[in-house]
Amino acid sequence: QKEVEQNSGPLSVPEGAIASLNCTYSDRGSQSFFWYRQYSGKSPELIMSIYSNGDKEDGRFTAQLNKASQYVSLLIRDSQPSDSATYLCAVLTGRRALTFGSGTRLQVQP
Amino acid sequence: DAGITQSPRYKITETGRQVTLMCHQTWSHSYMFWYRQDLGHGLRLIYYSAAADITDKGEVSDGYVVSRSKTENFPLTLESATRSQTSVYFCASRSGTSASYEQYFGPGTRLTVT
Repeated sequence: QKEVEQNSGPLSVPEGAIASLNCTYSDRGSQSFFWYRQYSGKSPELIMSIYSNGDKEDGRFTAQLNKASQYVSLLIRDSQPSDSATYLCAVLTGRRALTFGSGTRLQVQP
Repeated sequence: DAGITQSPRYKITETGRQVTLMCHQTWSHSYMFWYRQDLGHGLRLIYYSAAADITDKGEVSDGYVVSRSKTENFPLTLESATRSQTSVYFCASRSGTSASYEQYFGPGTRLTVT
């Protein structure tokens, strides 16, 4: 079992819709969770961090964390073609480096 | 405000040659990391460093060497490059404080080993 799992996609949504990206993790002791966006040929860009159960909103993005279910998600409201990218879920275990999922490719159709 | 930079951005080298990838950050972050990204494997940790002169292996460290004599620099050396080390290499850094574990990436180095 991979430590951090994501559906590879592609997830295709129409412009203006809500995109829902999901991630599960295996280490129940994980405390910190992150979402990165990566455009093709570019480096990962941090878009959200979440440390506590519940929702965290930042503009059009909402991160949701459920530690009991070992599940973290990212909602993108009013999706735009510029949101088309690969979204990486990352988990910090202990105090060392992040463990990444393989990413979900999002396509927003104009 | 350069943040985190990597050099070179592109490199072609031959099998068996030694090559060093450079990483420099201007934030005075304690932690620095090297990842490689390959299709089908995502981002995998090669090495990390918690402070100057403190380094530790990640999951794919064989064939790589790091050093960290200064806080701002974290070079990665491939001692004898192999074709399997063809990849995109990302350096990253984060503050050492407990207030934030957010990690930031450099632009990457695309390495081809022929």
